[in-house]
Amino acid sequence: DAGITQSPRHKVTETGTPVTLRCHQTENHRYMYWYRQDPGHGLRLIHYSYGVKDTDKGEVSDGYSVSRSKTEDFLLTLESATSSQTSVYFCAISEPRLAGAHNEQFFGPGTRLTVL
Amino acid sequence: GDSVVQTEGQVLPSEGDSLIVNCSYETTQYPSLFWYVQYPGEGPQLHLKAMKANDKGRNKGFEAMYRKETTSFHLEKDSVQESDSAVYFCAPRRAGNNRKLIWGLGTSLAVNP
Repeated sequence: DAGITQSPRHKVTETGTPVTLRCHQTENHRYMYWYRQDPGHGLRLIHYSYGVKDTDKGEVSDGYSVSRSKTEDFLLTLESATSSQTSVYFCAISEPRLAGAHNEQFFGPGTRLTVL
Repeated sequence: GDSVVQTEGQVLPSEGDSLIVNCSYETTQYPSLFWYVQYPGEGPQLHLKAMKANDKGRNKGFEAMYRKETTSFHLEKDSVQESDSAVYFCAPRRAGNNRKLIWGLGTSLAVNP
């Protein structure tokens, strides 16, 4: 299994509070991604990173920010959580330079976030 | 824009039935094609892939053929098992864009024993 951990695994918070989710990898993969998964919407990309300090927006980036100060960590921050951000959040990694891998994405176990 | 459509909702075969989960895509460039599978309580994982026209991806008895002429990548299996129960996602990746996948909404497969 790819070495990807997410913390916390579960979190309950209140509307208006800041929340930071952490993704940590031990694979030295260059790309990292944050997705959210909601019933009826599948997986939607929030932000992704293609290197240290290099990030870009996905399709549902409003209300979220990210930071990547080192290869192994990718942080997702909800500056002021809202109930619409209740979801399961997945981190994924990939490395396009791996021969034969075709930039396969490897996923972490997910974080279940509830905003009351 | 790029898009993918797959069989919606839930599919409820019985064990031993054959299965087809449809996937059709639209991309501006020649894509690589992937099926991911997600088991309960886990993140998705790569199930099978095909990189060019007429390639066939295979895994655990599942197959999918890259059909460029019909822009499709249907997932098929001759005889499903209860252990195949999961959510399946079709996910093309546009050529020249190594960074992002285009995700279908997922098809929930629940095999009756």
